[in-house]
Amino acid sequence: DGGITQSPKYLFRKEGQNVTLSCEQNLNHDAMYWYRQDPGQGLRLIYYSQIVNDFQKGDIAEGYSVSREKKESFPLTVTSAQKNPTAFYLCASSPAGQPSYNEQFFGPGTRLTVL
Amino acid sequence: AQSVTQLGSHVSVSEGALVLLRCNYSSSVPPYLFWYVQYPNQGLQLLLKYTSAATLVKGINGFEAEFKKSETSFHLTKPSAHMSDAAEYFCARYNFNKFYFGSGTKLNVKP
Repeated sequence: DGGITQSPKYLFRKEGQNVTLSCEQNLNHDAMYWYRQDPGQGLRLIYYSQIVNDFQKGDIAEGYSVSREKKESFPLTVTSAQKNPTAFYLCASSPAGQPSYNEQFFGPGTRLTVL
Repeated sequence: AQSVTQLGSHVSVSEGALVLLRCNYSSSVPPYLFWYVQYPNQGLQLLLKYTSAATLVKGINGFEAEFKKSETSFHLTKPSAHMSDAAEYFCARYNFNKFYFGSGTKLNVKP
């Protein structure tokens, strides 16, 4: 089955620690995205990548970092510089090209809790 | 500037009643608009999308949405609510390689 996997489902971190969230897709999509979801705020874009070895900051990139070394993978690192990292993190992908085809496919999410 | 606005963070309907969830977008040409549904602790699932082929768009689970350019709206409807429709719904817009999401509307379905 084609889809997007995120791991782990639940993640606990101590303050001051960096943590990496995994996102893998086998849909052969060029574009990948990371969102943060907080109650009542919808989805906010952290980083996105349209092609391998290239990525752009979204609206709330401070305290986060990403890499895109492979088409299938787009890991997100939450660094100690992120002041309020407790949230639900969603990874998504979409085919690049014609906008009319660019619906996003979402992973199941990772819930990060800072202790 | 926010690209999509969802009116009403919570909507409650009785089972069997009409569902109407509102979404308005910022004026631009052309808009590519989407509705997604999210069940608790899960990712988002596409319900339907507008790509200018037809103003009335039919989606999964009996949902549909009508694009109204004069009102800059893309409201989501379902004639008869089912208990399984209880979830959070997001309107989204695609523009310049990014998707912009509304703040979401939680739908509660009463028995």
